[in-house]
Amino acid sequence: EDQVTQSPEALRLQEGESSSLNCSYTVSGLRGLFWYRQDPGKGPEFLFTLYSAGEEKEKERLKATLTKKESFLHITAPKPEDSATYLCAVPFNNAGNMLTFGGGTRLMVKP
Amino acid sequence: DSGVTQTPKHLITATGQRVTLRCSPRSGDLSVYWYQQSLDQGLQFLIQYYNGEERAKGNILERFSAQQFPDLHSELNLSSLELGDSALYFCASSDNKGINYGYTFGSGTRLTVV
Repeated sequence: EDQVTQSPEALRLQEGESSSLNCSYTVSGLRGLFWYRQDPGKGPEFLFTLYSAGEEKEKERLKATLTKKESFLHITAPKPEDSATYLCAVPFNNAGNMLTFGGGTRLMVKP
Repeated sequence: DSGVTQTPKHLITATGQRVTLRCSPRSGDLSVYWYQQSLDQGLQFLIQYYNGEERAKGNILERFSAQQFPDLHSELNLSSLELGDSALYFCASSDNKGINYGYTFGSGTRLTVV
Protein backbone atom coordinates (compact mmCIF):
# COMPACT_ATOMS: atom_id res chain seq x y z
CA GLU A 1 0.00 0.00 0.00
CA ASP A 2 1.28 3.45 -0.92
CA GLN A 3 2.21 5.52 2.12
CA VAL A 4 4.07 8.67 3.05
CA THR A 5 5.02 9.29 6.67
CA GLN A 6 6.88 12.17 8.27
CA SER A 7 8.81 12.30 11.52
CA PRO A 8 9.04 13.79 13.99
CA GLU A 9 5.61 15.41 14.25
CA ALA A 10 7.16 18.38 16.04
CA LEU A 11 10.71 19.57 16.54
CA ARG A 12 12.00 22.33 18.78
CA LEU A 13 15.46 23.70 18.05
CA GLN A 14 17.58 26.49 19.39
CA GLU A 15 18.76 29.00 16.85
CA GLY A 16 21.88 27.59 15.19
CA GLU A 17 21.13 23.98 16.19
CA SER A 18 21.16 21.90 13.00
CA SER A 19 18.84 18.92 12.55
CA SER A 20 17.03 16.77 10.00
CA LEU A 21 13.40 16.00 9.18
CA ASN A 22 12.43 12.63 7.75
CA CYS A 23 9.94 11.62 5.07
CA SER A 24 9.49 7.88 4.51
CA TYR A 25 7.57 6.67 1.53
CA THR A 26 6.28 3.42 0.10
CA VAL A 27 5.35 3.72 -3.54
CA SER A 28 6.32 1.72 -6.58
CA GLY A 29 7.95 3.69 -9.34
CA LEU A 30 8.59 7.00 -7.60
CA ARG A 31 7.69 9.90 -9.89
CA GLY A 32 9.07 12.61 -7.70
CA LEU A 33 9.16 13.61 -4.05
CA PHE A 34 8.15 17.14 -3.17
CA TRP A 35 8.94 19.31 -0.15
CA TYR A 36 6.78 22.24 0.87
CA ARG A 37 6.89 24.81 3.64
CA GLN A 38 3.65 25.97 5.24
CA ASP A 39 3.29 28.95 7.56
CA PRO A 40 0.25 29.09 9.88
CA GLY A 41 -2.94 29.98 8.04
CA LYS A 42 -1.22 30.08 4.65
CA GLY A 43 -0.94 27.80 1.68
CA PRO A 44 2.01 25.44 1.27
CA GLU A 45 4.98 26.95 -0.55
CA PHE A 46 6.97 24.76 -2.92
CA LEU A 47 10.59 24.13 -1.92
CA PHE A 48 12.11 21.19 -3.81
CA THR A 49 11.43 18.29 -6.13
CA LEU A 50 13.67 15.21 -6.03
CA TYR A 51 13.41 12.47 -8.64
CA SER A 52 16.10 9.87 -8.10
CA ALA A 53 18.04 8.29 -5.26
CA GLY A 54 21.19 10.23 -4.49
CA GLU A 55 19.79 13.51 -5.70
CA GLU A 56 20.30 16.57 -3.49
CA LYS A 57 18.96 20.10 -3.67
CA GLU A 58 19.76 23.15 -1.57
CA LYS A 59 18.13 26.44 -0.79
CA GLU A 60 19.66 28.75 1.79
CA ARG A 61 19.82 26.75 5.04
CA LEU A 62 17.82 23.83 3.66
CA LYS A 63 19.11 20.76 1.88
CA ALA A 64 16.91 17.92 0.68
CA THR A 65 18.23 14.45 -0.04
CA LEU A 66 16.58 11.31 -1.43
CA THR A 67 17.15 7.58 -1.02
CA LYS A 68 15.05 4.70 -2.33
CA LYS A 69 12.95 4.66 0.82
CA GLU A 70 13.10 8.12 2.36
CA SER A 71 13.97 11.75 2.03
CA PHE A 72 15.61 14.05 4.52
CA LEU A 73 15.32 17.77 4.88
CA HIS A 74 18.46 18.99 6.59
CA ILE A 75 18.32 22.37 8.28
CA THR A 76 21.70 23.94 8.95
CA ALA A 77 22.06 26.65 11.60
CA PRO A 78 18.33 27.43 11.60
CA LYS A 79 16.93 30.85 12.39
CA PRO A 80 13.58 31.70 14.01
CA GLU A 81 12.19 32.58 10.57
CA ASP A 82 12.63 28.95 9.56
CA SER A 83 9.83 28.06 11.98
CA ALA A 84 7.02 26.50 9.94
CA THR A 85 5.46 23.16 9.09
CA TYR A 86 7.40 21.21 6.50
CA LEU A 87 5.42 18.85 4.29
CA CYS A 88 6.57 16.18 1.92
CA ALA A 89 4.39 14.73 -0.82
CA VAL A 90 4.52 12.02 -3.47
CA PRO A 91 2.19 11.11 -6.34
CA PHE A 92 0.51 7.78 -5.73
CA ASN A 93 0.31 5.52 -8.77
CA ASN A 94 -3.35 4.72 -8.33
CA ALA A 95 -4.34 8.35 -8.12
CA GLY A 96 -3.16 9.94 -11.35
CA ASN A 97 -0.94 12.91 -10.77
CA MET A 98 -2.44 13.85 -7.45
CA LEU A 99 0.06 14.59 -4.68
CA THR A 100 -0.46 12.79 -1.41
CA PHE A 101 0.96 14.64 1.56
CA GLY A 102 2.54 13.39 4.74
CA GLY A 103 1.34 14.70 8.08
CA GLY A 104 4.10 17.29 8.27
CA THR A 105 6.77 18.24 10.81
CA ARG A 106 6.11 21.38 12.81
CA LEU A 107 9.46 23.08 13.34
CA MET A 108 9.93 25.70 16.04
CA VAL A 109 13.26 27.55 16.23
CA LYS A 110 13.84 29.57 19.38
CA PRO A 111 16.19 32.55 19.44
CA ASP B 1 1.49 36.39 -4.12
CA SER B 2 1.58 32.86 -5.57
CA GLY B 3 -0.62 33.69 -8.55
CA VAL B 4 -3.41 31.40 -7.36
CA THR B 5 -6.33 33.46 -6.05
CA GLN B 6 -8.91 32.09 -3.65
CA THR B 7 -12.02 33.88 -2.44
CA PRO B 8 -13.34 34.45 0.10
CA LYS B 9 -10.51 34.25 2.63
CA HIS B 10 -12.87 33.60 5.51
CA LEU B 11 -16.39 32.23 5.63
CA ILE B 12 -18.61 31.66 8.62
CA THR B 13 -21.88 29.88 8.06
CA ALA B 14 -24.44 27.77 9.88
CA THR B 15 -24.97 24.04 9.76
CA GLY B 16 -27.14 22.91 6.89
CA GLN B 17 -26.15 25.78 4.65
CA ARG B 18 -24.43 25.74 1.27
CA VAL B 19 -21.34 27.72 0.29
CA THR B 20 -19.23 28.20 -2.82
CA LEU B 21 -15.48 28.64 -2.76
CA ARG B 22 -13.77 30.15 -5.76
CA CYS B 23 -10.30 29.65 -7.21
CA SER B 24 -8.50 31.32 -10.08
CA PRO B 25 -5.42 29.33 -11.12
CA ARG B 26 -2.05 30.75 -11.99
CA SER B 27 -1.93 32.13 -15.53
CA GLY B 28 -1.32 29.32 -18.00
CA ASP B 29 -2.08 26.49 -15.58
CA LEU B 30 -4.71 24.07 -16.81
CA SER B 31 -4.96 21.82 -13.75
CA VAL B 32 -6.76 22.79 -10.56
CA TYR B 33 -6.67 20.74 -7.38
CA TRP B 34 -8.78 21.15 -4.24
CA TYR B 35 -7.49 20.10 -0.83
CA GLN B 36 -9.03 20.19 2.62
CA GLN B 37 -6.85 20.75 5.67
CA SER B 38 -8.17 20.16 9.16
CA LEU B 39 -6.21 19.97 12.38
CA ASP B 40 -6.54 16.22 12.75
CA GLN B 41 -6.45 15.15 9.10
CA GLY B 42 -3.70 17.14 7.48
CA LEU B 43 -3.92 17.97 3.80
CA GLN B 44 -6.49 15.73 2.11
CA PHE B 45 -6.99 15.66 -1.63
CA LEU B 46 -10.56 16.28 -2.76
CA ILE B 47 -10.68 16.60 -6.53
CA GLN B 48 -8.71 17.58 -9.63
CA TYR B 49 -9.83 19.25 -12.83
CA TYR B 50 -7.83 19.57 -16.01
CA ASN B 51 -8.97 22.01 -18.69
CA GLY B 52 -12.59 21.77 -17.61
CA GLU B 53 -12.76 18.02 -17.10
CA GLU B 54 -12.63 16.04 -13.89
CA ARG B 55 -9.38 14.05 -13.73
CA ALA B 56 -9.17 12.51 -10.30
CA LYS B 57 -11.24 12.20 -7.14
CA GLY B 58 -10.07 11.73 -3.61
CA ASN B 59 -12.13 11.32 -0.47
CA ILE B 60 -14.64 13.95 -1.49
CA LEU B 61 -18.02 13.73 0.20
CA GLU B 62 -21.17 13.44 -1.89
CA ARG B 63 -22.29 16.76 -0.36
CA PHE B 64 -19.31 18.39 -2.05
CA SER B 65 -18.99 19.09 -5.76
CA ALA B 66 -16.73 21.12 -7.99
CA GLN B 67 -16.43 22.36 -11.53
CA GLN B 68 -13.93 24.16 -13.73
CA PHE B 69 -15.21 26.77 -16.13
CA PRO B 70 -14.00 27.65 -19.66
CA ASP B 71 -11.91 30.50 -18.27
CA LEU B 72 -10.25 27.84 -16.05
CA HIS B 73 -11.43 29.21 -12.73
CA SER B 74 -12.89 26.59 -10.44
CA GLU B 75 -15.57 26.50 -7.79
CA LEU B 76 -15.98 24.09 -4.91
CA ASN B 77 -19.55 23.76 -3.67
CA LEU B 78 -20.18 22.49 -0.15
CA SER B 79 -23.74 21.75 0.86
CA SER B 80 -25.65 20.54 3.93
CA LEU B 81 -22.72 21.75 5.96
CA GLU B 82 -21.79 20.06 9.19
CA LEU B 83 -19.58 21.21 12.06
CA GLY B 84 -16.91 18.77 10.91
CA ASP B 85 -16.59 20.54 7.57
CA SER B 86 -14.86 23.43 9.31
CA ALA B 87 -11.38 23.51 7.81
CA LEU B 88 -9.01 25.33 5.53
CA TYR B 89 -9.76 24.67 1.88
CA PHE B 90 -6.87 25.11 -0.53
CA CYS B 91 -6.81 25.33 -4.25
CA ALA B 92 -3.63 24.57 -6.16
CA SER B 93 -2.76 24.69 -9.83
CA SER B 94 -0.12 23.18 -12.08
CA ASP B 95 0.96 23.79 -15.61
CA ASN B 96 -0.11 20.50 -17.19
CA LYS B 97 -1.49 17.08 -16.45
CA GLY B 98 1.81 16.19 -14.88
CA ILE B 99 3.36 17.55 -11.73
CA ASN B 100 6.96 17.99 -12.76
CA TYR B 101 7.30 21.25 -10.94
CA GLY B 102 4.86 20.70 -8.11
CA TYR B 103 1.73 22.60 -7.38
CA THR B 104 1.27 26.29 -6.63
CA PHE B 105 -1.13 26.78 -3.77
CA GLY B 106 -3.45 29.64 -3.02
CA SER B 107 -3.73 31.18 0.42
CA GLY B 108 -6.86 29.21 1.22
CA THR B 109 -10.40 29.78 2.42
CA ARG B 110 -11.01 29.26 6.12
CA LEU B 111 -14.50 27.83 6.57
CA THR B 112 -16.11 27.89 9.96
CA VAL B 113 -19.43 26.10 10.39
CA VAL B 114 -21.33 27.08 13.53
